[in-house]
Amino acid sequence: ETGVTQSPTHLIKTRGQQVTLRCSSQSGHNTVSWYQQALGQGPQFIFQYYREEENGRGNFPPRFSGLQFPNYSSELNVNALELDDSALYLCASSFTSGFPDTQYFGPGTRLTVL
Amino acid sequence: AQTVTQSQPEMSVQEAETVTLSCTYDTSESNYYLFWYKQPPSRQMILVIRQEAYKQQNATENRFSVNFQKAAKSFSLKISDSQLGDTAMYFCAFMNQFLAYSGNTPLVFGKGTRLSVIA
Repeated sequence: ETGVTQSPTHLIKTRGQQVTLRCSSQSGHNTVSWYQQALGQGPQFIFQYYREEENGRGNFPPRFSGLQFPNYSSELNVNALELDDSALYLCASSFTSGFPDTQYFGPGTRLTVL
Repeated sequence: AQTVTQSQPEMSVQEAETVTLSCTYDTSESNYYLFWYKQPPSRQMILVIRQEAYKQQNATENRFSVNFQKAAKSFSLKISDSQLGDTAMYFCAFMNQFLAYSGNTPLVFGKGTRLSVIA
């Protein structure tokens, strides 16, 4: 176990709806990254939050947004859901100090968009 | 942009034998980090091994070792004495060292290799 948890485990939404996924980082970790893993693919970087501010984003539209809170929890919000948003969403926490530290992944949330 | 290629979608190995998973990457950067992650059927991604590009010595972690060929942009993972618990998806991943210094540490993953260890 990595000490990183995510909720919910599974989620089913319909096209056009909005969804919020949650992540609880390891205590002391100041960085959280979110990844999208489509079926049969490797994870793709969505964005990263460091000390509650976004400090890096992958090739994802603005309808993907996030928040990081001081209590080591974070959220990924997706608006106007599309069928292609169906995937496993992974969060990963780490401690950033100028050098890359190990990213500890959560078990993921499986999102299905109908 | 960096890309990571894993050319073996699936592999199998007998218990106690050795298997090598391949990974190649493309980058114009000279300083970077490379990783192998394991994703068992339970889905939780776990770091297996990490290699800094500036280090010539290949990283090892118990039964896991890498063959890092910087000029060839190759980073293979060797698993010795394979165990049933090694059955998982294995992902090769790249991180830009320059970005990491500013706290921006996105991982670029390959598509993965599904490894099955057979009793």
